[in-house]
Amino acid sequence: QVHLVESGGGVVQPGGSLRLSCAASGFTFSTYGMHWVRQAPGKGLEWVTFIRDDGTNKYYADSVKGRFTISRDNSKNTLYLQMNSLRAEDTAVYYCATDPRAYVSGLDYWGQGTLVTVSS
Amino acid sequence: QTVVTQEPSFSVSPGGTVTLTCGLSSGSVSTSYYPSWYQQTPGQAPRTLIYSTNTRSSGVPDRFSGSILGNKAALTITGAQADDESDYYCVLYMGSGILVFGGGTRLTVL
Repeated sequence: QVHLVESGGGVVQPGGSLRLSCAASGFTFSTYGMHWVRQAPGKGLEWVTFIRDDGTNKYYADSVKGRFTISRDNSKNTLYLQMNSLRAEDTAVYYCATDPRAYVSGLDYWGQGTLVTVSS
Repeated sequence: QTVVTQEPSFSVSPGGTVTLTCGLSSGSVSTSYYPSWYQQTPGQAPRTLIYSTNTRSSGVPDRFSGSILGNKAALTITGAQADDESDYYCVLYMGSGILVFGGGTRLTVL
């Protein structure tokens, strides 16, 4: 059974940094692409970033490009999101999700999310 | 910038059939966009229904089906039930590694 557990959320001041983690179990983590998706309070879903199975390809939404970095450690079955230069508009629940394939195509299994609040 | 479009809201009667669509502000949706569909109830994480146009995610009942209808992707729900009342989002693969969500459709079952 696929299980994804996000952690690392919290309250951070504008301009600050935060690192999110997503612990994966129940599947062969190293053979699937992974995504981060976020949802601001009362808003719709927004795709944030993707990393392919072996970490060689990474893609970002324009809204986070240059500030966020996705990475993975296949030996630890863990996905990461390093968020720098945070802004108020980055306030959201952040979900990690698997892709059905090694390369980007969509989203399949989801975690329960972790809340990031950017506020002074 | 191309926008992914969905109906803001829709209603269906219990036991009825409803088709939600996912289009582009410019152009037509094809299987090359790998359209996918997600269900979300308030306070819960999204749940994947369909990916790659018409592949049901694990555990999703066959009341949910995906297709291409005309120039849009479509999600059809047959035999609507009360707990189908949710927000439904589509996602399209826009190339160059980028996914874009539609704005979502709020489905009411009444």
